[in-house]
Amino acid sequence: SQELEQSPQSLIVQEGKNLTINCTSSKTLYGLYWYKQKYGEGLIFLMMLQKGGEEKSHEKITAKLDEKKQQSSLHITASQPSHAGIYLCGAVPSGGYQKVTFGIGTKLQVIP
Amino acid sequence: NAGVTQTPKFQVLKTGQSMTLQCAQDMNHEYMSWYRQDPGMGLRLIHYSVGAGITDQGEVPNGYNVSRSTTEDFPLRLLSAAPSQTSVYFCASSYWKGSLNTEAFFGQGTRLTVV
Repeated sequence: SQELEQSPQSLIVQEGKNLTINCTSSKTLYGLYWYKQKYGEGLIFLMMLQKGGEEKSHEKITAKLDEKKQQSSLHITASQPSHAGIYLCGAVPSGGYQKVTFGIGTKLQVIP
Repeated sequence: NAGVTQTPKFQVLKTGQSMTLQCAQDMNHEYMSWYRQDPGMGLRLIHYSVGAGITDQGEVPNGYNVSRSTTEDFPLRLLSAAPSQTSVYFCASSYWKGSLNTEAFFGQGTRLTVV
């Protein structure tokens, strides 16, 4: 089965600082999702990447899927307290597009 | 549109009791799924459905049943609750564009405690 490893598992940053979260897959990715979760709430879709080298941005959040399609990074520029939460990556494996596998998540705290 | 609605939000069960977690979506999505989220384990897929009348097992299906009689509803049944089923349960729905699922919409979760 496909495994996703996220790093770091937790992160504390000062407001205004940049940060990067990584998601590494044990197998080739056929699609990669990034979600954000606030404590006790559901997941909010951030973006989806499909093609190797693809990069997408939404407000101050940028995500990229590397050329070999086995790793993705999520970068937040000038972090704000509203960015705090748990960030999860979800992978779509080959031939099993229904079975999205998620990483454990990266807990982000932003200190004002 | 309400999106994905899960009920109840909280539930406490005694070991051996059965119950059904409800999930409804109003977006006409073909694909629906159930996950459980546990500390240190991330989200794990329990069961999923690619359309009315079609269901399949995910990663951790034991102890759970599902059915999909309509496009809108995808209930999850716990047959005989066990403390190991204490978790937060999420229902999700999505549609397909080409051969890939698009954005999955998640419900707010059901926090279940089995004592």
